[in-house]
Amino acid sequence: GDSVTQMEGPVTLSEEAFLTINCTYTATGYPSLFWYVQYPGEGLQLLLKATKADDKGSNKGFEATYRKETTSFHLEKGSVQVSDSAVYFCALSDYSGYSTLTFGKGTMLLVSP
Amino acid sequence: EAGVTQFPSHSVIEKGQTVTLRCDPISGHDNLYWYRRVMGKEIKFLLHFVKESKQDESGMPNNRFLAERTGGTYSTLKVQPAELEDSGVYFCASSQDRQGTTDTQYFGPGTRLTVL
Repeated sequence: GDSVTQMEGPVTLSEEAFLTINCTYTATGYPSLFWYVQYPGEGLQLLLKATKADDKGSNKGFEATYRKETTSFHLEKGSVQVSDSAVYFCALSDYSGYSTLTFGKGTMLLVSP
Repeated sequence: EAGVTQFPSHSVIEKGQTVTLRCDPISGHDNLYWYRRVMGKEIKFLLHFVKESKQDESGMPNNRFLAERTGGTYSTLKVQPAELEDSGVYFCASSQDRQGTTDTQYFGPGTRLTVL
């Protein structure tokens, strides 16, 4: 079955540091890939997505590139802020009619001033 | 436009009791999904409605869980009787999701269920 593996957290960084959160996946066919973010006390929000190989999703300074050859979708940001502290979830939709999501376990990011 | 709303935000019940969670999707979204995150684990799919019909309920853990979406608007998820392992955060999501597309799912804030 489909699965998503992302790096264990928490990831602790100082403000303005570079961020990478690794995500790899296993799926049949050609899934769409997503990063969702959950800020403290809030629901999940879509951060970015990519629907085909080599696509780059980007939003709020975050980027991720759909790499089919390595089945990866790593999340990066060049300079994190305290306000980026949240839990980040990598997910895929192995489209077979409707877009049910398969999630990773989530990675908590803590950014200190 | 209002987002997906869920009620209650928290629920603490004793083992053997019944709890009903409610989800109001974004107006006009035919597709409604329920997911659950047990502590420290992945967010897992429970079921999917298209309007009032259950499209896929392959993720429902057992027959103690009953989901309904009468009239194709809001949905309820009832757990009866609740067990300790049912504790977790229950998320609802909705999308326009026409078949053949990968429309974005919009999530609610979740209901945190604690079974003692």
